[in-house]
Amino acid sequence: NAGVMQNPRHLVRRRGQEARLRCSPMKGHSHVYWYRQLPEEGLKFMVYLQKENIIDESGMPKERFSAEFPKEGPSILRIQQVVRGDSAAYFCASSPPAAREKLFFGSGTQLSVL
Amino acid sequence: GESVGLHLPTLSVQEGDNSIINCAYSNSASDYFIWYKQESGKGPQFIIDIRSNMDKRQGQRVTVLLNKTVKHLSLQIAATQPGDSAVYFCAENSGQGGSEKLVFGKGTKLTVNP
Repeated sequence: NAGVMQNPRHLVRRRGQEARLRCSPMKGHSHVYWYRQLPEEGLKFMVYLQKENIIDESGMPKERFSAEFPKEGPSILRIQQVVRGDSAAYFCASSPPAAREKLFFGSGTQLSVL
Repeated sequence: GESVGLHLPTLSVQEGDNSIINCAYSNSASDYFIWYKQESGKGPQFIIDIRSNMDKRQGQRVTVLLNKTVKHLSLQIAATQPGDSAVYFCAENSGQGGSEKLVFGKGTKLTVNP
């Protein structure tokens, strides 16, 4: 049973470009979470999604950031017009329906903005 | 701001000793707590969880203690091994508003000396 899969593992973008981060949850998991981590810090909640539905986006910046979890395919975290401050590790997690607060994390995408 | 924090940012122990990592939380409504282990360059790995109706839970070489009176959580690792070296995060879930998001502390870096 494969774990949470994230790609790409590393992503380099220049200021002003768009970044797309992908996440495939564990098999049988219907809930996806995105977190951001800066060096030497904890994980900051960004957004919580179910299929075709955003449950909680209280941690998402108001501009340039969006997330989706379509009926088919992976969850996407999209960052438009990236700035250097967006450089961070972005982690996706998923949880099973019977234990939605028990999160299993992927290996993350390290975003570097030049 | 963060409602979960840690008493010590770093902890150094000798191989074979027991380790105790502490965590304080401020949200008395939190009813679920998790400990994660994060190795360098990897995503957080689930260690053990506990619900607020319990004060102790044991796993393999690990024990989590919950003191709701003083809002304190601890992780005990028995016979610490070099492979236990990592950053350890506690996280809480209050389940407010139907969101299952976890709030993370900043982490404690555990170093095991051979």
